[in-house]
This record gives sequence, structure tokens and C-alpha cells, in this order.
Amino acid sequence: DSGVTQTPKHLITATGQRVTLRCSPRSGDLSVYWYQQSLDQGLQFLIHYYNGEERAKGNILERFSAQQFPDLHSELNLSSLELGDSALYFCASSSGTGSGANVLTFGAGSRLTVL
Amino acid sequence: TQLLEQSPQFLSIQEGENLTVYCNSSSVFSSLQWYRQEPGEGPVLLVTVVTGGEVKKLKRLTFQFGDARKDSSLHITAAQPGDTGLYLCAGGSNYKLTFGKGTLLTVNP
Repeated sequence: DSGVTQTPKHLITATGQRVTLRCSPRSGDLSVYWYQQSLDQGLQFLIHYYNGEERAKGNILERFSAQQFPDLHSELNLSSLELGDSALYFCASSSGTGSGANVLTFGAGSRLTVL
Repeated sequence: TQLLEQSPQFLSIQEGENLTVYCNSSSVFSSLQWYRQEPGEGPVLLVTVVTGGEVKKLKRLTFQFGDARKDSSLHITAAQPGDTGLYLCAGGSNYKLTFGKGTLLTVNP
């Protein structure tokens, strides 16, 4: 157990639907990162939050949004889902602000299947 | 955009063999990290290298950072089935951490 908790572990939904993925960071970590992993693209950085504030955006689609709450848990919202959104979505946390070579601790991921 | 290319993409070997996997880029990185990902799990950090030419050892795993900080290698001695997994290199600062697509290693008993 890495200490980073992601729910749900598996999710199957239809095109056009909206889903919410949840992440609880490791105790004491203020930074949360979201990544998408697919077979063809590998691990792609989506977005980073530090202590409730957005710090950096990567290849995140406009249909996707995220937030980090005061208790530091984070949610990734995916809307108007398309078949190509099927992937593993990982949350990671770290104690730092995001600069430098801090250690990322990943959760076990949420596997999204869009039919 | 900094890109990391990993080779080989797939590697299947017998227990006891040695192997080396590579991570290359045309960009200079301030640091490189190596992760191992097992099926159904998230990546787990193995090592971070920060100095050009640096060599770090983790039991049977040896990691090297290139002198120019553009490439890295991972050498495994006497591979064991427990080494099976996806090996990922990643570079850059955390919030812009770029991952390679990985080397999928299978060690057969």
C-alpha cells in the first residue's frame, strides 16, 4: 500500500457520460498530480495541485477538470467521454511544491473503460 | 517538449541472465528517475540520479546517468522473475515530469 488511495479501481461507462475519479494523497503530502496512461501514449501528465491551488497543466483536455479540496483530496472530472478516453488514470502525491526532484508516490490507478 | 525514448520496448529473458535497458533524450535533464510498475499497480520509484556520470546501485540493479545528462541506463544482474515489470524513466521537475513509454521486462523461470 503506497498510502495514495484512488477510487474507483475500475469504471465502465458509455460515450457521452461524465465520471469523477477520486484521490486521497499520502498523509502529509500537499501536492497531487494526475496522470493518464494508455498503451500508445504512455504516462502523460495532466495536472498538478499544491495545497488547493492549481500549479501546472499538462496535456489535459478541456473536457477534463480537476480540483483539490481543503482536506487535500482531489477529484478528476471527465465529461463528454469518448472511446479514446479509455485509459488508466493515476494520482500521485508528494510533499514538495513540485520543483526539484521530489519523490512521487503513485496510487494503484483507476481503470476507465468507455464503451 | 522534452521527450524520453526507451529501448528496447519489450524484453523477455531467462532467469539468471543480465540485461540493460536504455533511456535517451536530445534534451538535458536536471535529474532522471527510474520507476518500476507491476500489473495493476502504480509506478514505484527505484532511484533518482542528478549528477552527470553518476552511478547508483540498488542490490542487483545498477543505474547510470550519462555525462551530458541526456541519457540513462539500467543494468540488472542475474535477473529474477520478481524483476518482471514495466521499467519507466522520467525526467524534469515534478510538475513537468516527462515519462518514457517504458521497457516491459519479462523474466521467465
